[in-house]
Amino acid sequence: KQEVTQIPAALSVPEGENLVLNCSFTDSAIYNLQWFRQDPGKGLTSLLLIQSSQREQTSGRLNASLDKSSGRSTLYIAASQPGDSATYLCAVSLADDKIIFGKGTRLHILP
Amino acid sequence: NAGVMQNPRHLVRRRGQEARLRCSPMKGHSHVYWYRQLPEEGLKFMVYLQKENIIDESGMPKERFSAEFPKEGPSILRIQQVVRGDSAAYFCASSPLELETQYFGPGTRLLVL
Repeated sequence: KQEVTQIPAALSVPEGENLVLNCSFTDSAIYNLQWFRQDPGKGLTSLLLIQSSQREQTSGRLNASLDKSSGRSTLYIAASQPGDSATYLCAVSLADDKIIFGKGTRLHILP
Repeated sequence: NAGVMQNPRHLVRRRGQEARLRCSPMKGHSHVYWYRQLPEEGLKFMVYLQKENIIDESGMPKERFSAEFPKEGPSILRIQQVVRGDSAAYFCASSPLELETQYFGPGTRLLVL
């Protein structure tokens, strides 16, 4: 059974710092991995999608890596800003289209 | 407590027909979200509803798509005059409160011939 774990559950860092969010999954047979952002009162926003054959994806200040063999992904946020405060979710898609989410990391950027 | 239920799980339509996708949220959940996953793409937000209200429809295509969440019954995502590009997996999620974790259903896979 696929399980997705995110560490830490919550994180507070001063503005301007670089930070890393971690995601691990138990079964390497994934179709792709996505990182999402969840803001209060909003639906999930897809940040980055990494196909199983890829190692990383970048979008602006965000960089996500994928090591399928070890069951790990990281989301790197450079030069953090208060607007980055949100809950970040990692999710893996399986071959049968099921999507398994982690519980998320609540990020708070201190001005 | 049953999870989020979606039906049908698979739906085949011909171009020009209507597709109606249903989502029954978890018991006690009054917030529903719809997402679409196109082939080879990530999950994309479509619409966020509370009972009888559309809160955020910023991700909904302007034409042919509509969503409702009536006081009684499931949430419905309706696609009129479907085209081949509508073929995708449509996921519904629910949450008990605005800031709570969203729980996802198994999805409806729509195929337009």
